[in-house]
Amino acid sequence: LAKTTQPISMDSYEGQEVNITCSHNNIATNDYITWYQQFPSQGPRFIIQGYKTKVTNEVASLFIPADRKSSTLSLPRVSLSDTAVYYCLVGDGTSGTYKYIFGTGTRLKVLA
Amino acid sequence: DAGVIQSPRHEVTEMGQEVTLRCKPISGHDYLFWYRQTMMRGLELLIYFNNNVPIDDSGMPEDRFSAKMPNASFSTLKIQPSEPRDSAVYFCASSFRSNNEQFFGPGTRLTVL
Repeated sequence: LAKTTQPISMDSYEGQEVNITCSHNNIATNDYITWYQQFPSQGPRFIIQGYKTKVTNEVASLFIPADRKSSTLSLPRVSLSDTAVYYCLVGDGTSGTYKYIFGTGTRLKVLA
Repeated sequence: DAGVIQSPRHEVTEMGQEVTLRCKPISGHDYLFWYRQTMMRGLELLIYFNNNVPIDDSGMPEDRFSAKMPNASFSTLKIQPSEPRDSAVYFCASSFRSNNEQFFGPGTRLTVL
């Protein structure tokens, strides 16, 4: 099964770019990589999803190298409101039944 | 759409009691997921359904846990008998396709005394 690993926590200052990396060594060929944001007492919320290379939307970019064994979520110019826990989610279809595996989560704290 | 709806939002019960958590997915979504979140274990997928059929229940901890989806607009997660180690936040989520964005409900915070 794909196993996902993330840094436990990160600190940043307002206005800086933040990059959070997720390692997923056993990701299968057809699996997507999805990132979620979670605030206290709320459910996770979708940020971005990709399969390979680079994906960008209005809030973030996702970089996926050619071997797809990792991915990097990039948050440009973070603000205090970006303080949250960020999770990567990898799908794994190698066992025949598609499985969903969340990373351990990265707690981002944005400082003024 | 009101999003994914879960009830109750909070549940406090005593060990040995039966607990039933409820979820209403977003209309038109074919996939429904039940997750459990704790500080120690993070977010764990318990079970997911496609078109009301359970696809993968390998994450269900033990026989005390059961989940049903009698129709496209309703699912339950039942714990019987409950134990203190079941205390966690339980999330329900739904999506349109298997690898599409999952929409999470607000969660049910369960405390088993």
